[in-house]
Amino acid sequence: EIVLTQSPGTLSLSPGERATLSCRASQSVSSSYLAWYQQKPGQAPRLLIYGASSRATGIPDRFRASGSGTDFTLTISRLEPEDFAVYYCQQYVRSPWTFGQGTKVEIK
Amino acid sequence: EVQLVESGGGLVQPGGSLRLSCAASGFTFSNYDMHWVRQAPGKGLEWVSAISAGGDKTYYTDSVKGRFTMSRDNSMNTLYLHMTSLRAEDTAVYFCASRYCTGNICYPLDSWGQGTLVTVSS
Repeated sequence: EIVLTQSPGTLSLSPGERATLSCRASQSVSSSYLAWYQQKPGQAPRLLIYGASSRATGIPDRFRASGSGTDFTLTISRLEPEDFAVYYCQQYVRSPWTFGQGTKVEIK
Repeated sequence: EVQLVESGGGLVQPGGSLRLSCAASGFTFSNYDMHWVRQAPGKGLEWVSAISAGGDKTYYTDSVKGRFTMSRDNSMNTLYLHMTSLRAEDTAVYFCASRYCTGNICYPLDSWGQGTLVTVSS
């Protein structure tokens, strides 16, 4: 099983600031089958990034992601009020399709 | 418009059974792998199970193997999760989600339902 560890657990930032979220895998995620999701309270997760760095349809370009192998990063260049949420990474290369434990981006 | 609508959640006693359904519309259901993901109250996302587009392959997380069975009816555009021997730790919102694969390329879970709450308690 590929274990994904996200850091930090919580990020306290102000609107307009830059957010950098990390996701580290216990073994290499081949083909960069790494995704990022955003979840707001009471809502289903929303796909942001697939293939480690490709934005899903309709995702603004302030969301950028990179990485390969075992280290992946999601960057939100300038936080908008609607970006305060919990972010999860997920590997979808093989079963079990594990998630990281999440990073909460909260308003400082 | 893609829609996934879960139903069947509720309160069940430990050891009991429940069947969740997920009705799909707005896309060619039979072309998509389908997944169940759950979220315990106040906790993170946990992948539970998956089924191939044709229904011939299923996958489960270790904690539900032998207790949960995933199936689909492509003629009815409906996904199921039959849960037995339920435990308190199965209490969660259960989401269904779709995943597309073409050739050797697969994409992550791009459409999600709103979830159905399962509470296991006496």
